[in-house]
Amino acid sequence: AQTVTQSQPEMSVQEAETVTLSCTYDTSESDYYLFWYKQPPSRQMILVIRQEAYKQQNATENRFSVNFQKAAKSFSLKISDSQLGDAAMYFCAYRSANSGNTPLVFGKGTRLSVIA
Amino acid sequence: ETGVTQTPRHLVMGMTNKKSLKCEQHLGHNAMYWYKQSAKKPLELMFVYNFKEQTENNSVPSRFSPECPNSSHLFLHLHTLQPEDSALYLCASSGLRGGVYNEQFFGPGTRLTVL
Repeated sequence: AQTVTQSQPEMSVQEAETVTLSCTYDTSESDYYLFWYKQPPSRQMILVIRQEAYKQQNATENRFSVNFQKAAKSFSLKISDSQLGDAAMYFCAYRSANSGNTPLVFGKGTRLSVIA
Repeated sequence: ETGVTQTPRHLVMGMTNKKSLKCEQHLGHNAMYWYKQSAKKPLELMFVYNFKEQTENNSVPSRFSPECPNSSHLFLHLHTLQPEDSALYLCASSGLRGGVYNEQFFGPGTRLTVL
């Protein structure tokens, strides 16, 4: 079974600085998807960024980018120019690329605080 | 707004009560999910529905009973719950892309407290 590990329960960053959240996963599959979700204090979880395992290029979405290291099974999230609105719980998630509807596997999350 | 709504947002119930949680998605998706989110634990998948059919029951106790009358609505019926069932219950939906269900869109959750 796949597992997702987020080793940093809490992180903090100064406003306008850069922070990197870690995520590692364990799988025997070669094709899969990886996601970072953000859950602000209002609790609605939203997708931040996704990465297909077959793509070597790291995904980017504005100030958010990932460092995907397939061999190391690592998928870290970098937030540049941090803003107060980035404060939230961040969850890393894995999904098999098998056809059909395989469930997402989530990590325990990292709580990010942004200091003004 | 993600296009997934949940009601109520907060619910307090006694162990002998019966209540229902409702989820509605306006995204045209075919799959819907219930998750339980407890403090300091990963999200726990409870149920999965594809095209109104339940495809996964992740060893959930029978005091939780899901219902999916159509692809847009999902309910979670609760009865004789225990205090340890207190948690945030999240609904999500996803659509097919290239034959694979991909990212999920989440509702705001229902904060459930069982007394």
